[in-house]
Amino acid sequence: GAVVSQHPSRVICKSGTSVKIECRSLDFQATTMFWYRQFPKQSLMLMATSNEGSKATYEQGVEKDKFLINHASLTLSTLTVTSAHPEDSSFYICSAPDRGQFGYTFGSGTRLTVV
Amino acid sequence: RKEVEQDPGPFNVPEGATVAFNCTYSNSASQSFFWYRQDCRKEPKLLMSVYSSGNEDGRFTAQLNRASQYISLLIRDSKLSDSATYLCVVSRVGSQGNLIFGKGTKLSVKP
Repeated sequence: GAVVSQHPSRVICKSGTSVKIECRSLDFQATTMFWYRQFPKQSLMLMATSNEGSKATYEQGVEKDKFLINHASLTLSTLTVTSAHPEDSSFYICSAPDRGQFGYTFGSGTRLTVV
Repeated sequence: RKEVEQDPGPFNVPEGATVAFNCTYSNSASQSFFWYRQDCRKEPKLLMSVYSSGNEDGRFTAQLNRASQYISLLIRDSKLSDSATYLCVVSRVGSQGNLIFGKGTKLSVKP
């Protein structure tokens, strides 16, 4: 079946640094990638939608200059958390619509801890 | 009103028990409905889609009531391996297909 490979699975960084998270579709072309964030005991919240070859669409309240999204090819989308702060510590996960029966494939998630 | 609301949980049940989860959604025009399962610190995994006619997959039965904007999941003969958080998920109307997740209901099945 369709697979989305997400890296890194876990990262600890210092406050003020930037972190890049990659999601690659391994056996299908992902023209769209959804980026979610999940705080402890909370639901997954959509942050932004990236589209190959065009600008990402951000949800209300998500700072586009802080969470940089690049969808450079049909198989790669990246999320960069710039100038990370402890409040950015969260579980970040990507998801791409695929051609399978149920339509959505998730990456395995990235647990970001900012110290 | 939240877009997707679920039972707060947690549900602590013995092996073999039957447990039911409920969910309501706010947008009457929503088209697609799912139950996902999420294990601790892992990505959510599709358990089953939910159809108006109801659908069953082994020990799992899902129901959709569009008039009441209500979704349910029934798990029969609970197993230890069913312990997880169950997410009620609705696809957003008019989008490219992104999903709206409920907060989840935690299930713990005890021996």
